[in-house]
Amino acid sequence: QKEVEQDPGPLSVPEGAIVSLNCTYSNSAFQYFMWYRQYSRKGPELLMYTYSSGNKEDGRFTAQVDKSSKYISLFIRDSQPSDSATYLCATKGGGYQKVTFGTGTKLQVIP
Amino acid sequence: EAGVTQFPSHSVIEKGQTVTLRCDPISGHDNLYWYRRVMGKEIKFLLHFVKESKQDESGMPNNRFLAERTGGTYSTLKVQPAELEDSGVYFCASSQGWSGNYGYTFGSGTRLTVV
Repeated sequence: QKEVEQDPGPLSVPEGAIVSLNCTYSNSAFQYFMWYRQYSRKGPELLMYTYSSGNKEDGRFTAQVDKSSKYISLFIRDSQPSDSATYLCATKGGGYQKVTFGTGTKLQVIP
Repeated sequence: EAGVTQFPSHSVIEKGQTVTLRCDPISGHDNLYWYRRVMGKEIKFLLHFVKESKQDESGMPNNRFLAERTGGTYSTLKVQPAELEDSGVYFCASSQGWSGNYGYTFGSGTRLTVV
């Protein structure tokens, strides 16, 4: 079983739609939760990060973590064609522990 | 601020040959990481340097892979001899701080193809 499970998609939505991306994880020791965005032929770019459970909002993006169900979500409001990319969830424990990534969900926002 | 630089961006080599990948982290970032993504799989951790010391090399696949970070600046990842299953995209990342809680900054990766 993978430590972080993520539906690879692809997910195709019309411009302006609300997008919901989700991951589950298995290791209860994970404390930090991140979403990365990766455009084609580029490296992943940190989009948002949260510590422990709760919500975090940044503009059109909202990250949610529910540690009781080991569930991570990213919501994108008013999606734009420029949001078309692969979105990777990632988690890590404290200290020097490595970051563990999901496989990524490919999102296409159609104008 | 310059980002994380990796080169070459692409490399095609024959099985059995040697390839060396290079990563220049953001200046002042003590933490340097190597990750790899093989086709269809998730990005997986290879190893972590703190300055010139290997903090965690638990993800290195086997002894054909050798990573160095002389002087705590740039890092190299050598694959010798390369095998077909080594094909993939190799990412380098760097971060400030002891835990990378601020998130890594990734390079654009080196796409390695072993034929």
